[in-house]
Amino acid sequence: EPEVTQTPSHQVTQMGQEVILRCVPISNHLYFYWYRQILGQKVEFLVSFYNNEISEKSEIFDDQFSVERPDGSNFTLKIRSTKLEDSAMYFCASSDPGPNEKLFFGSGTQLSVL
Amino acid sequence: QQQVKQSPQSLIVQKGGISIINCAYENTAFDYFPWYQQFPGKGPALLIAIRPDVSEKKEGRFTISFNKSAKQFSLHIMDSQPGDSATYFCAATPAGSARQLTFGSGTQLTVLP
Repeated sequence: EPEVTQTPSHQVTQMGQEVILRCVPISNHLYFYWYRQILGQKVEFLVSFYNNEISEKSEIFDDQFSVERPDGSNFTLKIRSTKLEDSAMYFCASSDPGPNEKLFFGSGTQLSVL
Repeated sequence: QQQVKQSPQSLIVQKGGISIINCAYENTAFDYFPWYQQFPGKGPALLIAIRPDVSEKKEGRFTISFNKSAKQFSLHIMDSQPGDSATYFCAATPAGSARQLTFGSGTQLTVLP
């Protein structure tokens, strides 16, 4: 079965630094998402992306966050100035263009902000 | 109103037993209710999903029961196996926003051999 690939699997950064989390969605999918999961808490929606623009975003997705599809295969999440509370597992997901709502999630990037 | 409440937080079941996980919601705009299974180190994977126009959906050993009037839905795992040991999340999303999932808090299921 096709997979959503995320790199790196772990990222450690200093508070205030910029980080870029990378994702390769499934090739024929048109909808892309970022979710995050703080340790011990529920998975939370951050942003959805379609047709090269943000379609929906949550309150969490503030001006420190941005997403980009720089080429035909990658989808990135940038955090401009990381805070301690940004430490979480970040999941990329994608879905196909049909009426099927099935989201395929990647294995995640564990971000640790020190 | 956007919350999805999930219980229990953890569940231990003997092999061959039935595992039952419950979720409740308040937002009547929710229109799609998936269950996700997550193994350690992996992302959530869709297990089974239901829409509110049916009261039950079964796929193999997994069944969703849906009670629209009570705004509750549950996952039943029949003949539970040690390989089912994972964290299970219920989720919900409103019509027109089918992919902005609101997740429950998760249930850590352990199936004893």
